[in-house]
Amino acid sequence: RKEVEQDPGPFNVPEGATVAFNCTYSNSASQSFFWYRQDCRKEPKLLMSVYSSGNEDGRFTAQLNRASQYISLLIRDSKLSDSATYLCAMDSSYKLIFGSGTRLLVRP
Amino acid sequence: DVKVTQSSRYLVKRTGEKVFLECVQDMDHENMFWYRQDPGLGLRLIYFSYDVKMKEKGDIPEGYSVSREKKERFSLILESASTNQTSMYLCASSLWGTGPTYEQYFGPGTRLTVT
Repeated sequence: RKEVEQDPGPFNVPEGATVAFNCTYSNSASQSFFWYRQDCRKEPKLLMSVYSSGNEDGRFTAQLNRASQYISLLIRDSKLSDSATYLCAMDSSYKLIFGSGTRLLVRP
Repeated sequence: DVKVTQSSRYLVKRTGEKVFLECVQDMDHENMFWYRQDPGLGLRLIYFSYDVKMKEKGDIPEGYSVSREKKERFSLILESASTNQTSMYLCASSLWGTGPTYEQYFGPGTRLTVT
């Protein structure tokens, strides 16, 4: 089993929709969780950090479920500019382990 | 704002050449990382460093070496480039510690093609 697993998608949603991605992890010792956004042929950029049960920033909400070992990212009122790949990451012995990413396409 | 820069955005090298990829960060971060990213395989850690002159192997160190002579600079070296090292190479940095210090900031990447 991979340490971090994400549905690759793509998730194809209309503008204004609410969309959610999950990311499951196997290392129960992980304490810090992150969501990164990566545009095509660009570097990953930190979107949100999650250290306790959840975090909210505008239209974006990240939740952590330790019992089931997954984190989620909810995007409300999707914009065309939200189209990107979303990577989850978590700490593992002073490093980060990244998922392979979930691709989101927001259509007009 | 954290700034991580990489020496080249695009690089084309021949098989067998020695290749140097440079990364510089300006936020006094202790940790620096080198990843490669390939379609379907995600980000894979090659090497990381938590202090000057210190280095640790990541998941795929074979065929690579690194150098960290100054805190702000971390170099990735391909001793003898091969076609299977054609990839996007990403450098990142973070503070030392736990919690928020795990946040890594990436450079723009170097797209290396080995022919």
